[in-house]
Amino acid sequence: DIQMTQSPSSLSASVGDRVTITCRASQSISNSLNWYQQRQGQAPKHLIFAASTLQTGIPARFSGSGSGTEFTLTINSLQPEDFATYYCQQSSSFPVTFGGGTKVEIK
Amino acid sequence: QVQLVQSGAEVKKPGASVRVSCKASGYTFTTYAIHWVRQAPGQRLEWMGGISAVNAKTKNSQKFQDRVTFTRDTSASTAYMELRSLRSDDTAVYYCARVRVASITGGMWSYFDYWGQGSLVTVSS
Repeated sequence: DIQMTQSPSSLSASVGDRVTITCRASQSISNSLNWYQQRQGQAPKHLIFAASTLQTGIPARFSGSGSGTEFTLTINSLQPEDFATYYCQQSSSFPVTFGGGTKVEIK
Repeated sequence: QVQLVQSGAEVKKPGASVRVSCKASGYTFTTYAIHWVRQAPGQRLEWMGGISAVNAKTKNSQKFQDRVTFTRDTSASTAYMELRSLRSDDTAVYYCARVRVASITGGMWSYFDYWGQGSLVTVSS
């Protein structure tokens, strides 16, 4: 199975800050990498596929990059509604696997 | 609009089985596969497997291979997940999710584009 490791596991930031989350795969997954946002008590929401393609309706302050084994999710100008947990997920091969999550908290 | 509506919370005893339903609306049910992802308290999301809505072909995680069954009823636009021989560590929120396959510049990428609201399954004696 492909292991997905996210860092940091949590971070504190202020509204307006730029935030970067890293996701590493245990082997190359090309760009078969998705990002999800999960607010407390809610189902995950899809943000990005193919490592860098924004889902329809997702604000442009979200961006993704990377390929192979290292990926990043960047949120520019953090908004109040962005405080949530973010997960990466590889879709390169079965079983599909998720990272451990990064909780973005208010400083 | 696309919606996936799941059945309600369940409390089960160890050794029992649970079946969770996922009713789809707002799109042609047979166009997309439905997969299942669970989340134990404080844990990461964990993929369990899923089913093609058009031909009922299933894909299972090895972790649940012998204990889980995925089915669907196209007439009801509903997918089901049954988990057997429940243990306390099966206590989790179970989500269904629609699988979208996007084709861009000759490549194909899959992701979970719509999710159900989640169904809490508690396993306790």
